[in-house]
Amino acid sequence: DAKTTQPPSMDCAEGRAANLPCNHSTISGNEYVYWYRQIHSQGPQYIIHGLKNNETNEMASLIITEDRKSSTLILPHATLRDTAVYYCIVRVRQFSGNTPLVFGKGTRLSVIA
Amino acid sequence: KAGVTQTPRYLIKTRGQQVTLSCSPISGHRSVSWYQQTPGQGLQFLFEYFSETQRNKGNFPGRFSGRQFSNSRSEMNVSTLELGDSALYLCATGTDYGYTFGSGTRLTVV
Repeated sequence: DAKTTQPPSMDCAEGRAANLPCNHSTISGNEYVYWYRQIHSQGPQYIIHGLKNNETNEMASLIITEDRKSSTLILPHATLRDTAVYYCIVRVRQFSGNTPLVFGKGTRLSVIA
Repeated sequence: KAGVTQTPRYLIKTRGQQVTLSCSPISGHRSVSWYQQTPGQGLQFLFEYFSETQRNKGNFPGRFSGRQFSNSRSEMNVSTLELGDSALYLCATGTDYGYTFGSGTRLTVV
């Protein structure tokens, strides 16, 4: 079962920041927080991941609380193309092999013009 | 860089038949994972191969099998198809930074 809890849906106005929350209260010390998104009928797309520090890349920012029990994915200027289902996943990151991704139901983000 | 290539893109099969799906990972990547996505169960892990060896397996019946070749290409096979096997089958190649998924094969069982 997924170890994360996300709201089922959210709306965001185009051009505004989209803030997607995720609860992972049982996260272990060696588990990272990953975010993926899936645009309709396509494969999931990796967005960002982090352990305990805030992270930023060209797509988004990831804010992880100090106790690591929750995080927020921020899309700074949402566009219509950001409409997708967003998945928050906690996973052990292994350099010698990969543990499977366990997907929950995610958050369906609708960006509205 | 070239992405993950899955073929065919769409497939229609009859109950009881078998099907083989193909996945070519990003060049140089030795791991391939397979996932099934259905409206009811969401995205579920099927299995993972690394250097031709199955390394992880999800909770699916033995009708679902796979293999990986020396060039890292992978195939998954589903035998004795059931209506409930209708799904989007996704393959992914991963690094410790994250997975890259293909566009999937949409299988419809009639």
